[in-house]
Amino acid sequence: EAEVAQSPRYKITEKSQAVAFWCDPISGHATLYWYRQILGQGPELLVQFQDESVVDDSQLPKDRFSAERLKGVDSTLKIQPAELGDSAMYLCASSYRLAGPEGANVLTFGAGSRLTVL
Amino acid sequence: SQQGEEDPQALSIQEGENATMNCSYKTSINNLQWYRQNSGRGLVHLILIRSNEREKHSGRLRVTLDTSKKSSSLLITASRAADTASYFCATSDRGSTLGRLYFGRGTQLTVWP
Repeated sequence: EAEVAQSPRYKITEKSQAVAFWCDPISGHATLYWYRQILGQGPELLVQFQDESVVDDSQLPKDRFSAERLKGVDSTLKIQPAELGDSAMYLCASSYRLAGPEGANVLTFGAGSRLTVL
Repeated sequence: SQQGEEDPQALSIQEGENATMNCSYKTSINNLQWYRQNSGRGLVHLILIRSNEREKHSGRLRVTLDTSKKSSSLLITASRAADTASYFCATSDRGSTLGRLYFGRGTQLTVWP
């Protein structure tokens, strides 16, 4: 069964350091998402790509976070500098869109990257 | 920001019992989805219900949607220890061209053997 690959699974860093996460979506999925999930809460969207273009980054803290998907396939999310409040699970997901007049995005998530900032 | 609110926040039952979780949301939606998350893992899609549907079944799952009350419920029948997980509802706003999903805070379900 096809999976969304993410690495690293765990990352411990000190504040002010740079950190990067990688995601490889399911082949053929044009839409890719990065979510942040703080312990005990639901995922919140950071950025959404359609192919190589960013279509929604309204919740991305752009002073320290950046994301790219250069060839419209895999993607990297970077944080520089990391802050204590960035400790969270970073989830990548990709989706296909169901057919129909109101097509729905059904997301397939990776296992996530758990970030701890000390 | 989060759109859905699940209730209860935590639910503890015995194997074989039914588990019911509720989700309330604020805006008009295209569809509502339920996802499961095992501890420390990613989310897994369970079921989708469109705004013009009232009930949907998938195996031991039954989802209802009441758009007039802006609420949905997820019923898991004959629960098993393996159903222990967090369950999230996610909504997509009506008219959204991107189909962005807004997740609630989740219900933590514990099923005891």
